Amino acid sequence: GENVEQHPSTLSVQEGDSAVIKCTYSDSASNYFPWYKQELGKRPQLIIDIRSNVGEKKDQRIAVTLNKTAKHFSLHITETQPEDSAVYFCAATDSNYQLIWGAGTKLIIKP
Amino acid sequence: DSGVTQTPKHLITATGQRVTLRCSPRSGDLSVYWYQQSLDQGLQFLIQYYNGEERAKGNILERFSAQQFPDLHSELNLSSLELGDSALYFCASSLGTSGNIQYFGAGTRLSVL
Repeated sequence: GENVEQHPSTLSVQEGDSAVIKCTYSDSASNYFPWYKQELGKRPQLIIDIRSNVGEKKDQRIAVTLNKTAKHFSLHITETQPEDSAVYFCAATDSNYQLIWGAGTKLIIKP
Repeated sequence: DSGVTQTPKHLITATGQRVTLRCSPRSGDLSVYWYQQSLDQGLQFLIQYYNGEERAKGNILERFSAQQFPDLHSELNLSSLELGDSALYFCASSLGTSGNIQYFGAGTRLSVL
């Protein structure tokens, strides 16, 4: 079945620098790749998603890139701010169109 | 506010007891998903219902069960509770069965003492 691996588990960056979180998936039929942000004690919220027919999508300081050949997708956050501190989860659909979740990345923004 | 309502917000109970968690999906959403999140852990998918029918099953224990009612609200029943069941339980809803954005409720924090 589908397996989604997410790296790193913890990422610490200086405020203002960029952060990149990577996920790999195993099912070549995967066609939907969302990213969720979960602040401490809060619910996960969708921040950006991409479908398999595009290679990149941007929304202000956040972007997601997809490499279908290599079966990996990445979240890019530029000009990081303290409010970007959170746990980020990636996910990919399996052959039954169910979301399979990555283990999460704790992003720490250092002042 | 995501539009997904979960009750109660907090639940404290003892080992061996049974509890029921309730979820009301966003208006118009037909799918409901249940997740378990232990402290500092990821999201463990438990089960999904679509329009009243079980659609997918994840790592749900036999002591746990769920259902979705005709008005589309869902309940997650946890029985013979153990200390290790202490966690944050999230409900999410989406429009369809797959490839749709999942909107999460605020969660129910269960503490088993």
